[in-house]
Amino acid sequence: DAKTTQPTSMDCAEGRAANLPCNHSTISGNEYVYWYRQIHSQGPQYIIHGLKNNETNEMASLIITEDRKSSTLILPHATLRDTAVYYCIVRALYNTDKLIFGTGTRLQVFP
Amino acid sequence: NAGVMQNPRHLVRRRGQEARLRCSPMKGHSHVYWYRQLPEEGLKFMVYLQKENIIDESGMPKERFSAEFPKEGPSILRIQQVVRGDSAAYFCASSPPSEDTQYFGPGTRLTVL
Repeated sequence: DAKTTQPTSMDCAEGRAANLPCNHSTISGNEYVYWYRQIHSQGPQYIIHGLKNNETNEMASLIITEDRKSSTLILPHATLRDTAVYYCIVRALYNTDKLIFGTGTRLQVFP
Repeated sequence: NAGVMQNPRHLVRRRGQEARLRCSPMKGHSHVYWYRQLPEEGLKFMVYLQKENIIDESGMPKERFSAEFPKEGPSILRIQQVVRGDSAAYFCASSPPSEDTQYFGPGTRLTVL
């Protein structure tokens, strides 16, 4: 699976959009971009994943650049409960193998 | 559909005792994964199981650790003769056979005294 690079930490004001970037310049054509988050002391929570088209669900939006070398997870209206470590993971299609977690981005939402 | 269930949520053991951690996957999920998170560290893969089979145990310590996922019942992660360094949060995840998204349980926090 391709390697990802994320900023160590970010801040966001409550109610504003949180934009979390991820670089995956070595991504292959059959690899998806997955996002998980881990709120303090809890199990990781699946957020969203995508291949090349932008994706949106009830939690977030995922914007993948045309060359697929980077992506951005968008939380449109961040709340204090969105404070967590966010992980960007690249995995091959239909890969049931292990998830490899990097260090992620620690997002702090402040009032 | 209930999520992934893990029990106990907290487990305290003395050095040398055995720890048994249980994971009940989501209904319809036949793939189970165990991950460990040491204090102030990231999540590390331990083992991947399907019903009655270990698919990948490349992240399991070679000694004292074992895992199973029997035909009936939960998956069990077993740690024999625990040491203080085994203190960590152990997370289980499951996925259905046709999907590669893993869904995580709340974890078991093991403390070794």
